[in-house]
Amino acid sequence: DVKVTQSSRYLVKRTGEKVFLECVQDMDHENMFWYRQDPGLGLRLIYFSYDVKMKEKGDIPEGYSVSREKKERFSLILESASTNQTSMYLCASTSTLGVYNEQFFGPGTRLTVL
Amino acid sequence: QKEVEQNSGPLSVPEGAIASLNCTYSDRGSQSFFWYRQYSGKSPELIMFIYSNGDKEDGRFTAQLNKASQYVSLLIRDSQPSDSATYLCAVRGAAGNKLTFGGGTRVLVKP
Repeated sequence: DVKVTQSSRYLVKRTGEKVFLECVQDMDHENMFWYRQDPGLGLRLIYFSYDVKMKEKGDIPEGYSVSREKKERFSLILESASTNQTSMYLCASTSTLGVYNEQFFGPGTRLTVL
Repeated sequence: QKEVEQNSGPLSVPEGAIASLNCTYSDRGSQSFFWYRQYSGKSPELIMFIYSNGDKEDGRFTAQLNKASQYVSLLIRDSQPSDSATYLCAVRGAAGNKLTFGGGTRVLVKP
């Protein structure tokens, strides 16, 4: 079974703190994604990566950065957390191969910024 | 206009009835279409995918795709209380592996 894990289920941080969210997948997937999910807004793509050290901006990259030093690990960084970044953060991965590319999701990290 | 649109619901259906969920998309070059189910507090899980016009059936679920009308739907037959969840429609564009998600439709199945 594909497994995508995230470092924390719940996280509480203060405004201005630097926050690291880690995601690890064990299926040798090339592509990894970070989304945030907010009520009424659905899943919105923050950043994605299609290879080690490669990254591309998604729809809402402002205030975030990412790092992918190893194929299995994709980190989301909030350089200076703000209250409007309180949200559910979901990591996903998918293979490049195949006609369809199912994205497998991690359990999510619910981040609260006070 | 959102790229992928769904009615937010809630869609209330009695147990045993058919739940019909709709999704429209704006990118005519879209290649693949996915339905994810998300229980409250959990992450999305894939239940169906479709990439050819027509119907695709898997157990109690049927996905229907009409590329000319840019429309994809999900039917849930013999709805059960365990089907109560939010259903997310996702679309993969012409290039790359990004998915664009709709806002989700919340389904409530009442015993």
